[in-house]
Amino acid sequence: KNEVEQSPQNLTAQEGEFITINCSYSVGISALHWLQQHPGGGIVSLFMLSSGKKKHGRLIATINIQEKHSSLHITASHPRDSAVYICAVRGNTDKLIFGTGTRLQVFP
Amino acid sequence: KAGVTQTPRYLIKTRGQQVTLSCSPISGHRSVSWYQQTPGQGLQFLFEYFSETQRNKGNFPGRFSGRQFSNSRSEMNVSTLELGDSALYLCASSFGGTVQETQYFGPGTRLLVL
Repeated sequence: KNEVEQSPQNLTAQEGEFITINCSYSVGISALHWLQQHPGGGIVSLFMLSSGKKKHGRLIATINIQEKHSSLHITASHPRDSAVYICAVRGNTDKLIFGTGTRLQVFP
Repeated sequence: KAGVTQTPRYLIKTRGQQVTLSCSPISGHRSVSWYQQTPGQGLQFLFEYFSETQRNKGNFPGRFSGRQFSNSRSEMNVSTLELGDSALYLCASSFGGTVQETQYFGPGTRLLVL
C-alpha cells in the first residue's frame, strides 16, 4: 500500500463544475503539499499545509491531521485547470513522498 | 527573479554511459532537491543539498550521485545508465529547505536511455 493515496486517479468535468481531489496518507507528517503539473512536465506548488485550510483564487485546500486526509477543491473549473494534481507529504525523515496524481480534464 | 533552470532539457544516452544534469536555483536559494519521475513509479525523491552538503537521500542505488557548488548550483550524475533510468529529472529549490517552505521546480530534464 502506498504511503500517499490519491483519488480519483482520473477526473473529467464540464467547465464551471466544482471539483474535489482527495489525498490520504498513512505516515506522520510535518507538512502536506499540493502540486500542479501541466503537460510538458513543469510543476507548480499550489499549497503547503500543516493544518486547517488555505485559499488562493478558485483553489481551496484543507487538511485534517487527525484523519490523515487532505482535499483540494477547485471552484468554477476552467479548461486551463486541466493538469495533473499531485499530493506530497513531508514525512518524519523530511523527505517528500508523492501520491500518484490525479489527472483532471475540464471540457468547455 | 529568474526561476529554476535545468540543463539540458532533453538528452538521449545509451546503456552503460554516464550523464550529468545541471540545476541552477533561484537566486538566494540555498537548498536544491532532485526528483525522478517515471510513468511506473511516479515522482520519487533522489537527494537534497544545502550549502554544499547532502542533507537527505532517497532510496536509489549508488549510481545516482550529486553535488552542490558554492554558488548553490547543483549537478546530479548517473553512471552506468540502465534502460529504467529513462525519466524526467526535476530539481527544486527553496531558501533554506525547511519543512514550511515552498519548493520551486525547474522545467526538468527528460532523459531517454536506449
